[in-house]
Amino acid sequence: SQQGEEDPQALSIQEGENATMNCSYKTSINNLQWYRQNSGRGLVHLILIRSNEREKHSGRLRVTLDTSKKSSSLLITASRAADTASYFCATGPNYGGSQGNLIFGKGTKLSVKP
Amino acid sequence: DTGVSQDPRHKITKRGQNVTFRCDPISEHNRLYWYRQTLGQGPEFLTYFQNEAQLEKSRLLSDRFSAERPKGSFSTLEIQRTEQGDSAMYLCASSPRPETQYFGPGTRLLVL
Repeated sequence: SQQGEEDPQALSIQEGENATMNCSYKTSINNLQWYRQNSGRGLVHLILIRSNEREKHSGRLRVTLDTSKKSSSLLITASRAADTASYFCATGPNYGGSQGNLIFGKGTKLSVKP
Repeated sequence: DTGVSQDPRHKITKRGQNVTFRCDPISEHNRLYWYRQTLGQGPEFLTYFQNEAQLEKSRLLSDRFSAERPKGSFSTLEIQRTEQGDSAMYLCASSPRPETQYFGPGTRLLVL
């Protein structure tokens, strides 16, 4: 079953604008990850934020985590047409239970127009 | 290319046929995962191997599905008596430790 929901389901912006995607989840977590998937392809890991971290940066990516609200956001700054993809948040592994599978949301489909 | 590879990339089959997919993980990654992804959804976990041992199976993995990793290297996922509802992208991932997983390009299955 899906762990959480990304919001919005779809986002269309112009090149150069910032894109913000949100993710909510249901259970306690050890970490939260964001992945990108280009159309019809496999997933690429973008960034991981641990439960004791509040913010993390990687290049044009900024991720925040609010464990009290069980939510995370992914900000892509100065977007490019090549950023067009679906973005998924994933939680896990839950060391107390699962051996390590990730639980994904439904994703946000980002379209960046040149 | 030393990433995760999957074969075939596309498979079209008729309902009732058996299909088998192969995944070659990144070498020395002892953990291997199979996921299924349907249109408009995120990947859903199917099963997990650590070396050759299958340690976890999802309830999604019905008795028509079987996965193996005989020597702790490549893995196969077989679907017997395919149904139209099995049409999906089947993704394989590997990792050297928990947390970050490295995904292959996927096998897209269409059951007619």
